[in-house]
Amino acid sequence: DAGVIQSPRHEVTEMGQEVTLRCKPISGHDYLFWYRQTMMRGLELLIYFNNNVPIDDSGMPEDRFSAKMPNASFSTLKIQPSEPRDSAVYFCASEGRGGQRFGSGTRLTVV
Amino acid sequence: KQEVTQIPAALSVPEGENLVLNCSFTDSAIYNLQWFRQDPGKGLTSLLLIQSSQREQTSGRLNASLDKSSGRSTLYIAASQPGDSATYLCAVMAGTYKYIFGTGTRLKVLA
Repeated sequence: DAGVIQSPRHEVTEMGQEVTLRCKPISGHDYLFWYRQTMMRGLELLIYFNNNVPIDDSGMPEDRFSAKMPNASFSTLKIQPSEPRDSAVYFCASEGRGGQRFGSGTRLTVV
Repeated sequence: KQEVTQIPAALSVPEGENLVLNCSFTDSAIYNLQWFRQDPGKGLTSLLLIQSSQREQTSGRLNASLDKSSGRSTLYIAASQPGDSATYLCAVMAGTYKYIFGTGTRLKVLA
């Protein structure tokens, strides 16, 4: 398989702009996860979906963050408006048998 | 609240040494535990997944053990190689597919 595919790999945006991160999970995986990784807080779970339905979004830091999964092969994480403290690497992962598989991440820089 | 701790935070060893990485968790009610490897600027790669009913898993030079009662897991790497240099993270599934990650051990194997 092609693995979990995330885009873009890098994103630099100005404070206040809307940012959309995209993820294509592995075909057949029922679970999809969005994580954020920073030096200060490590890897944090933001939200996860099961069969396209959001199950737990308690890790989403603020209402500025939203995530959708319109179908089994696509998910987005949106930040509106973005702030410098949102700068981090955002990972998408999907899970089937054998544990989670991670994408390569999107490095977001908000200036 | 489940907390996952990894010790040491960093480790530097000469090539060929056998080494042990430690992971401890505060709540023994876990579904499974997974070890990951993360190379700089990359996503996470799953190494081993141990279900809560299992005591250990092996893959090549890697062996992971799980002792739920004491809240501990160890990752044993035999005959370490420079290519093993990376950050190693453990994650516990503490119910409802919610993964809690440790802060990682940064390993450097010197040639």
